[in-house]
Amino acid sequence: DIQMTQSPSSLSASVGDRVTITCRASQTISGFLNWYQQKPGKAPKLLIYAAYILQTGVPSRFSGSGSGTDFTLTISSLQPEDFATYSCQQSSTSPYTFGQGTKVEI
Amino acid sequence: QVQLQESGPGLVKPSQTLSLTCTVSGGSISSGGYSWSWIRQHPGKGLEWIGYMYYTGSTNYNPSLKSRVTISLDTTKNQFSLTLSSVTAADTAVYFCARISRNDYGANYFDYWGQGTLVTVSS
Repeated sequence: DIQMTQSPSSLSASVGDRVTITCRASQTISGFLNWYQQKPGKAPKLLIYAAYILQTGVPSRFSGSGSGTDFTLTISSLQPEDFATYSCQQSSTSPYTFGQGTKVEI
Repeated sequence: QVQLQESGPGLVKPSQTLSLTCTVSGGSISSGGYSWSWIRQHPGKGLEWIGYMYYTGSTNYNPSLKSRVTISLDTTKNQFSLTLSSVTAADTAVYFCARISRNDYGANYFDYWGQGTLVTVSS
């Protein structure tokens, strides 16, 4: 299975901060990398797919980049509603696998 | 707007079979191009993909669960289901159903999710 490793596991930030979360795959996955946001007690919400494509309705302050094994999710100016856990997921090879999540806290 | 809703028992005894159903509204599960999937999340942990069924009926399961998992579609009710046999306490988790979409370049992603349902395995 392809292992997905996110860093950091958690971070503290303030409203207006620029936040960067990294996801590394244990082998190359080309651009088959998705990002999700999850709030407590809720289902994950798709933010970005295919490494950099913004899902419809997702604010433009979210962006994704990377290919191969190293990927980044960036929030350009953190908003109060962005405090949540963010997870990456590879769809290059079955079984699909997720990162362990990055919790963004105030 | 596509919506998914899980239903099923919240408590299952060890060694028994877990059965969940996902009801889809706002779109047909038999329309082309989508797969229908189950994902679970152990308490306080990350997400684990269980498997999916393509609208044609083909399936793909996580090898870690393959011997115990069946996913099926009921197009007459616009539902799909998960059965997981011989459950243990390690199967206690929140179970989500989700739709998989695929773009023109072959990228698959979970774009619609159910709210999730907690299943506890305990005697």
